[in-house]
Amino acid sequence: QQQVKQSPQSLIVQKGGISIINCAYENTAFDYFPWYQQFPGKGPALLIAIRPDVSEKKEGRFTISFNKSAKQFSLHIMDSQPGDSATYFCAASMKTSYDKVIFGPGTSLSVIP
Amino acid sequence: GAVVSQHPSRVICKSGTSVKIECRSLDFQATTMFWYRQFPKQSLMLMATSNEGSKATYEQGVEKDKFLINHASLTLSTLTVTSAHPEDSSFYICSATGGRGGYTFGSGTRLTVV
Repeated sequence: QQQVKQSPQSLIVQKGGISIINCAYENTAFDYFPWYQQFPGKGPALLIAIRPDVSEKKEGRFTISFNKSAKQFSLHIMDSQPGDSATYFCAASMKTSYDKVIFGPGTSLSVIP
Repeated sequence: GAVVSQHPSRVICKSGTSVKIECRSLDFQATTMFWYRQFPKQSLMLMATSNEGSKATYEQGVEKDKFLINHASLTLSTLTVTSAHPEDSSFYICSATGGRGGYTFGSGTRLTVV
């Protein structure tokens, strides 16, 4: 059962552009929504996270937008750079499950010069 | 910040042998550790959850006799792939909760069974 959906599967953006990745979840018990960045051969690293009591969170060039009623959230990467090229995973978890994190299928982002 | 060290980073083993992967929390006590498996160009699939001093909880479809998890201390969890076969070749990643970062991943182990 795929509890977190993610799109697009892959994304190509020009340097300086905006990268947008969308996710949707099904389980309303989720209360923590992190985004992870993963480079080839490395473990995922936490990029930014949001809780459902806020609609937006911004950290530098990265912004999460959260729509609780639609059960959707998205990641915006402003001024995308070639160094941002990686795979991005949205995820969801709930405190009642020992913080078990459920990952979306991932988006492969390529930022071209 | 919270650091999780995972070793080895790469291992090649012969079919039928067992391989142990270690996951250590370096600067915090990990109340819970998780083991994930990732196939090329796919997402992370949770295999099991382990709490210090208790038996691991395995996800549906994961063979607990095949993937032995031991969480003997608050800083160390191990995953042993027993009687490994080529289909067990994958990228294994651990993560831990308990540090200030909340949820920290190790750098992963690339297992190749030949």
